[in-house]
Amino acid sequence: DGGITQSPKYLFRKEGQNVTLSCEQNLNHDAMYWYRQDPGQGLRLIYYSQIVNDFQKGDIAEGYSVSREKKESFPLTVTSAQKNPTAFYLCASSLAGGSTGELFFGEGSRLTVL
Amino acid sequence: AQSVTQPDIHITVSEGASLELRCNYSYGATPYLFWYVQSPGQGLQLLLKYFSGDTLVQGIKGFEAEFKRSQSSFNLRKPSVHWSDAAEYFCAVGAGAGSYQLTFGKGTKLSVIP
Repeated sequence: DGGITQSPKYLFRKEGQNVTLSCEQNLNHDAMYWYRQDPGQGLRLIYYSQIVNDFQKGDIAEGYSVSREKKESFPLTVTSAQKNPTAFYLCASSLAGGSTGELFFGEGSRLTVL
Repeated sequence: AQSVTQPDIHITVSEGASLELRCNYSYGATPYLFWYVQSPGQGLQLLLKYFSGDTLVQGIKGFEAEFKRSQSSFNLRKPSVHWSDAAEYFCAVGAGAGSYQLTFGKGTKLSVIP
């Protein structure tokens, strides 16, 4: 079955450590996205990528980094510069631009920084 | 820049009752509008979308939404709620072709009383 796989589902880390969240899709979608979700805040866009080897900052990119070396993969690194990294992180993909096409979401990764 | 307001943070309805979730948007041109649903600890699933044409759109799971330009609204409705509809619902607005950014509302949590 086609879809988006995020791993790990739960992650605990100490303050000051970098953390990388994995996102893989087998939908053959060009565009991929990372969103952060906090209770009562909706979804906020961290980074998005329209094609391989290209990505753009979203609304809250500070303290995060991404790469897009393969069409299927869009990993997110939460760096020690992110002041409040505890959150639920959602990866998504779409055929066309997200404003005109359906976003397909993974099941999310919950990061807790101790 | 576009914005979305979902005025109701939490709504409780009885099973079998009708449902209306409110969404108001702000955008200068014709918006691309979406409703997504999220079960606890899961990703989001598209319920329905409006790009143009008939202002009443049908979605999955018996949901429908009506675009009212004069009121800048895109309210979600269901005539008879089932217990399995309990979830969080997000309205989103996009700027259309060429734009990769969706702006999400903060969500409305729906509880269903048996």
